[in-house]
Order: sequence, then C-alpha cells, then structure tokens
Amino acid sequence: GAGVSQSPRYKVAKRGQDVALRCDPISGHVSLFWYQQALGQGPEFLTYFQNEAQLDKSGLPSDRFFAERPEGSVSTLKIQRTQQEDSAVYLCASSLATSGVPNEQFFGPGTRLTVL
Amino acid sequence: GNSVTQMEGPVTLSEEAFLTINCTYTATGYPSLFWYVQYPGEGLQLLLKATKADDKGSNKGFEATYRKETTSFHLEKGSVQVSDSAVYFCALSDRSTFGDGTTLTVKP
Repeated sequence: GAGVSQSPRYKVAKRGQDVALRCDPISGHVSLFWYQQALGQGPEFLTYFQNEAQLDKSGLPSDRFFAERPEGSVSTLKIQRTQQEDSAVYLCASSLATSGVPNEQFFGPGTRLTVL
Repeated sequence: GNSVTQMEGPVTLSEEAFLTINCTYTATGYPSLFWYVQYPGEGLQLLLKATKADDKGSNKGFEATYRKETTSFHLEKGSVQVSDSAVYFCALSDRSTFGDGTTLTVKP
C-alpha cells in the first residue's frame, strides 16, 4: 500500500517568501507529526495532530510556522517570511493509534527546504 | 526535559564484525524506546522497539534491551553486512525525542 508522501521533495525559496509543505499520511492513520531535521542532526518535533485537532504545537520555533489538518487527513506546514535558519528537511510521520500508546511512526521522504 | 544521547559517529566496520551503538536517555516516567534506521536515499523506518524495562526488541539480527537502571538502550548486532550501512537513530516516545544519529559504514 501507499506510504506517507510529501510534496514538494525539494523547495528553494528566497528569504522572505512564504512556503507551504504538504503531507499525505497513510489512509486511516489518526496521528500525524511534523519534524524539522537539520543537517547532521536527528529530527526535532514541531507539532502533532490527532485527526484534525492540533494537540501539541510546542515545537514550532516561531509564529512564522503554522500547521493545519482541516479534514483529519492531509496536512500542510506553512512557513511565512522564510529565513535562512529555516533551511532543513521537514519530515512528516503518521501512526495508526493515538498518542500515549507506544506505536510505530511511518515517515515520509521529507521536503528539503533551502532558503537563499 | 527529555533527551537522547547517542554515541558519536561515524562508525566504520568490516563485514561480519560486531556492532554496538550506545544510546542513553533522560526522561520522566517510563517512556517507550525505539531504534529507527535511514538507508541511503530512503525515509526513516522503525527497526525495533521496547515498551518497558528489561524488554528486548529485535529485528533483522539487531537487538536492544531496555535498561532502566542505566537508562540505556544500546543497539547490537553480532555480524554486520554491507547492507546495514545506514544512519541509526535512537528515540524515545512522548513526542519522539530523537538522538542525533550514528552513521554506520560496513566495508566488504
């Protein structure tokens, strides 16, 4: 079956531009996570959805970052007025169960964002 | 807050050598522990997990035991193959705190 997909795979933005990154989770997966992964580091948690509800956004680095999942499936991570420090790979992951139950996350291939 | 510390890489081994990648954690409560692997050009995928103290996770010849007394979850494999070359991440649950990854290269 289809895994988690993300688009675009690569995005180059000029400083100050707005970008939107899309995540299509595995069908039926309740939980959806966004991570930011800088070069040579592990993924850093950004935000978490359970269905359409954003239950945790404590990892979003600034108010320029915004995520939504309006119908409980596809999610979009938006970054406004991009800065060079936003350059990273943005990973999306989904899982079948709700948070609090230790379960496997399925990761997408990521979107590599480069801000010039 | 929660944190994960992995041994620094990169690690280079010859085929059939024994592998250990150390992982220690700091967490409140009793988190679940995971090892994820990222093969070249691919996304992160779960390798193994353990949900409580003394549990042993295993998969593809890899093993890791949840040691609460030493707050560790070291990854081991008795005989590595070239195909094991990848980046390995230790992680704990509760918003999945990840280590920085350890790059393993296995030479024939």
